[in-house]
Amino acid sequence: GQQLNQSPQSMFIQEGEDVSMNCTSSSIFNTWLWYKQDPGEGPVLLIALYKAGELTSNGRLTAQFGITRKDSFLNISASIPSDVGIYFCAGQSPFGNEKLTFGTGTRLTIIP
Amino acid sequence: DGGITQSPKYLFRKEGQNVTLSCEQNLNHDAMYWYRQDPGQGLRLIYYSQIVNDFQKGDIAEGYSVSREKKESFPLTVTSAQKNPTAFYLCASSMVGGGNQPQHFGDGTRLSIL
Repeated sequence: GQQLNQSPQSMFIQEGEDVSMNCTSSSIFNTWLWYKQDPGEGPVLLIALYKAGELTSNGRLTAQFGITRKDSFLNISASIPSDVGIYFCAGQSPFGNEKLTFGTGTRLTIIP
Repeated sequence: DGGITQSPKYLFRKEGQNVTLSCEQNLNHDAMYWYRQDPGQGLRLIYYSQIVNDFQKGDIAEGYSVSREKKESFPLTVTSAQKNPTAFYLCASSMVGGGNQPQHFGDGTRLSIL
């Protein structure tokens, strides 16, 4: 099955820094979703994007649905220790069923 | 509280043994999904079901089986035919329709081989 190209694979930042990650695909998507996963737990939905060009915020998080419908990015401003975890993007195909295609994840580590 | 409950949290399997992972949701969602997650990798779809008594294979269905006898339940059986079952298994659910219904996840079951 297809997987999205998500980058970077990992990030090491200091508390207070801004973070940016993105996903690209060779296929178009109807919906882009961003999830965060803590160790030993299931992914939690952060932001859902439904229209090309859409820019949506959730607190310190901002995500955009690319105009071409083949990419999306997630920004985190002023990072805090609880931002540590793995971030996944996921795209939903416009062709029928509700199946998602997931990116390989970005592991965020905050250096004290 | 509404949500998705997976059990058990940890499961151990002996060689040649079938094991069943439970997934229950009280969100009144039509669709349910099973994913497998290996270290450092994304989620891969095993099976999904959009309606009771119907389900479809995902990308890595070999060695797994499911049933959907009730809307709220979607158990996954890892059979002895699955030669590399050690992984973190995640169940998800969503509404169906319009291609804009996000999936919500349970907290996972970690399966290990004895």
